[in-house]
Amino acid sequence: KAGVTQTPRYLIKTRGQQVTLSCSPISGHRSVSWYQQTPGQGLQFLFEYFSETQRNKGNFPGRFSGRQFSNSRSEMNVSTLELGDSALYLCASSLGDQRVYGYTFGSGTRLTVV
Amino acid sequence: AQRVTQPEKLLSVFKGAPVELKCNYSYSGSPELFWYVQYSRQRLQLLLRHISRESIKGFTADLNKGETSFHLKKPFAQEEDSAMYYCALRGLNQAGTALIFGKGTTLSVSS
Repeated sequence: KAGVTQTPRYLIKTRGQQVTLSCSPISGHRSVSWYQQTPGQGLQFLFEYFSETQRNKGNFPGRFSGRQFSNSRSEMNVSTLELGDSALYLCASSLGDQRVYGYTFGSGTRLTVV
Repeated sequence: AQRVTQPEKLLSVFKGAPVELKCNYSYSGSPELFWYVQYSRQRLQLLLRHISRESIKGFTADLNKGETSFHLKKPFAQEEDSAMYYCALRGLNQAGTALIFGKGTTLSVSS
């Protein structure tokens, strides 16, 4: 079955712009989580959506937002981009309430802010 | 506070040598722990989780609640084990599914 698909793979944006990243989870997975990966901070949790509702949120400013659609696809938006937002953004899907399952990650979107 | 600590940034071993990647956690409830691996130019993938007590690619990890550790072990390292390894924690009493990752350990296996 298809894995977690993230688009686009690479993105270059200018400071002050906004960006939208997309994630299509594995078919049947209802939970989608987003993570930011940087060399300095490692992997940090952004937020998690389940059945179109944000269920959990990490410690990021309000410029970072997301949503989930009825087909479980999710988008993440970053407004007023800063240089420090340059990172690999990873999406992970899981079966949701099944707490014994791990999470399947996508390949990520590499965002560069210049 | 919830925290995962991987004390070694880099671990270099020779092929055939035993490997132990350390992971310590801080969590007040019942933890759910995972090891993820990221091979060069590949996506992050689940290696194993403590709840299933499985052995994947010869790796095992035992949860030690007394020492709050979840070290990853393999008796004989192979060159193809070279990768970045992340230990991750998720609390069982959380409504959400946030994974808290350690900073990762790069394992380098040479012949």
